[in-house]
Amino acid sequence: GAVVSQHPSWVICKSGTSVKIECRSLDFQATTMFWYRQFPKQSLMLMATSNEGSKATYEQGVEKDKFLINHASLTLSTLTVTSAHPEDSSFYICTIPGGSKNIQYFGAGTRLSVL
Amino acid sequence: AQTVTQSQPEMSVQEAETVTLSCTYDTSESDYYLFWYKQPPSRQMILVIRQEAYKQQNATENRFSVNFQKAAKSFSLKISDSQLGDAAMYFCAYRTLNRDDKIIFGKGTRLHILP
Repeated sequence: GAVVSQHPSWVICKSGTSVKIECRSLDFQATTMFWYRQFPKQSLMLMATSNEGSKATYEQGVEKDKFLINHASLTLSTLTVTSAHPEDSSFYICTIPGGSKNIQYFGAGTRLSVL
Repeated sequence: AQTVTQSQPEMSVQEAETVTLSCTYDTSESDYYLFWYKQPPSRQMILVIRQEAYKQQNATENRFSVNFQKAAKSFSLKISDSQLGDAAMYFCAYRTLNRDDKIIFGKGTRLHILP
């Protein structure tokens, strides 16, 4: 069964509104989760590392105030796209590293469409 | 910083034939993991095969095998007896063994299977 639950799978919102995406670890506690963004027909670009109990670590060029990450528990990380604009439309994927270094669990992704 | 390069944006192969997808990477680390992921139209990432850098033997998973050339920093994927279900986007990925834990993806190769 699924190890990672990502919700919602698809969201459409109006420009200027905020959208929250959830990533849940179903089988184990996750102190770290990763958020990626994928533009159509492009690769996955790491946005930030979500750290349980502390601030997220953002990659260069990613706006912290735009993409708010909260990792309040060992099983849940949320990504909030604030004041969304059409250019924020994309596919967002969360991943959770497994106990072994060669394991990475992927959420099913969230397609965000901003009108 | 590590980089992953996939020089073939698209490839086509006849059903039942063999195809090789190329991947090169750049790193100063001596130990790491390499992966090939498949992303079908559903966009759910699927692990195809993985290779630990300290292992000289090339990884094999059924019809999928890799040619890992550590000195050349090359990690190609060979798909034998190609099937229609193999049509997807394939991403080569690198994972560091340091505390970062993050995965770096190549730009991907779209594989078409011709019936």
